[in-house]
Amino acid sequence: NAGVTQTPKFQVLKTGQSMTLQCAQDMNHNSMYWYRQDPGMGLRLIYYSASEGTTDKGEVPNGYNVSRLNKREFSLRLESAAPSQTSVYFCASSTGLGNTEAFFGQGTRLTVV
Amino acid sequence: RKEVEQDPGPFNVPEGATVAFNCTYSNSASQSFFWYRQDCRKEPKLLMSVYSSGNEDGRFTAQLNRASQYISLLIRDSKLSDSATYLCVVIHYGNNRLAFGKGNQVVVIP
Repeated sequence: NAGVTQTPKFQVLKTGQSMTLQCAQDMNHNSMYWYRQDPGMGLRLIYYSASEGTTDKGEVPNGYNVSRLNKREFSLRLESAAPSQTSVYFCASSTGLGNTEAFFGQGTRLTVV
Repeated sequence: RKEVEQDPGPFNVPEGATVAFNCTYSNSASQSFFWYRQDCRKEPKLLMSVYSSGNEDGRFTAQLNRASQYISLLIRDSKLSDSATYLCVVIHYGNNRLAFGKGNQVVVIP
């Protein structure tokens, strides 16, 4: 049982380059989330998808776009990477019922130079 | 005011001692509460849910105080393996977004 799978695990980008972070879950969860984690800042919500076909902005959406491709997959795109987007990115999923556990992927360590 | 606030610490705890810390939340409509554990450079993982009546799981006890809008975590008989960051998570009615605190860093010292 893979749970939540994120790719890639590591990435270095040059300023202005674009890339897509992939996330897939095999637990038939309705809700999926993208967070970034920076030292001293905790986990901040970028975008989330309460269910297939819906996406909503979180706390720090600027510079990012998302696609909920189907129930399993939720991708995060950086159209023009900036050094301020250097961070660790986590994808998570949950049933969306409110009182259930969220499961996280292993994270993507992104460096923008 | 942040949705979820935690004192990041670090909390330096002698092995075998008890450590406790709180997390405050700002939205009184918050629905569900959890403690997650995050080891260095790893993903967060659920430690325990927090119920209105309080709950205990081995050496860990979680409490919820809705009137004062905080939750707490107490770790008894600390082990070296308890060294980690403990994240407070709050879910709100209506949107089911998970809001995280910055975490309480615990360092258990031999």
